Amino acid sequence: GAGVSQSPRYKVAKRGQDVALRCDPISGHVSLFWYQQALGQGPEFLTYFQNEAQLDKSGLPSDRFFAERPEGSVSTLKIQRTQQEDSAVYLCASSLGSWSGGSYTQYFGPGTRLTVL
Amino acid sequence: AQRVTQPEKLLSVFKGAPVELKCNYSYSGSPELFWYVQYSRQRLQLLLRHISRESIKGFTADLNKGETSFHLKKPFAQEEDSAMYYCALRGRSNDYKLSFGAGTTVTVRA
Repeated sequence: GAGVSQSPRYKVAKRGQDVALRCDPISGHVSLFWYQQALGQGPEFLTYFQNEAQLDKSGLPSDRFFAERPEGSVSTLKIQRTQQEDSAVYLCASSLGSWSGGSYTQYFGPGTRLTVL
Repeated sequence: AQRVTQPEKLLSVFKGAPVELKCNYSYSGSPELFWYVQYSRQRLQLLLRHISRESIKGFTADLNKGETSFHLKKPFAQEEDSAMYYCALRGRSNDYKLSFGAGTTVTVRA
């Protein structure tokens, strides 16, 4: 079946522009994660949703970053007034279950490469 | 705080030779450890997890709590093993976050 999809795959923004990155998780997956991967680094956790509830946003680097998942399916990561340090690959992952005692594999999307000029 | 360290950025081996990717972690508790792999032009995918204690594509990894390590090993490397490998940790207390190492690029030469 279809895996996690993300769009756009590539985004170039001028410094100061707002961007919106979309994630379509695997159908029926309860949990959704966003990670940021800087060049030469591993992914770093940004935020976590269980259905439509954002249970953890501790990894968001500043208040310019905002994520939502209003209907518990598609999620959008929005970055306002982009800065050069925001340049990275943004990965979305989903998993079947929630985190109440279970341990579920996270399935990753292909990522969106954001370049801020 | 939880932290994962992969000391080797690049690893080059010949086909048929053994390969070992090092991973060390710091976590005050009993974590769950994973290896993820990203082949060229493909997405990040789970290779194996320590609780499964299984061998995937000939790879094994043993959690050594005394040395806080989770090294990935394969006795005979194949060209198709060329990829980027990430070690990751999930703590038990807030067990949804994955903390990744910086990754090791493996090149298997013929």
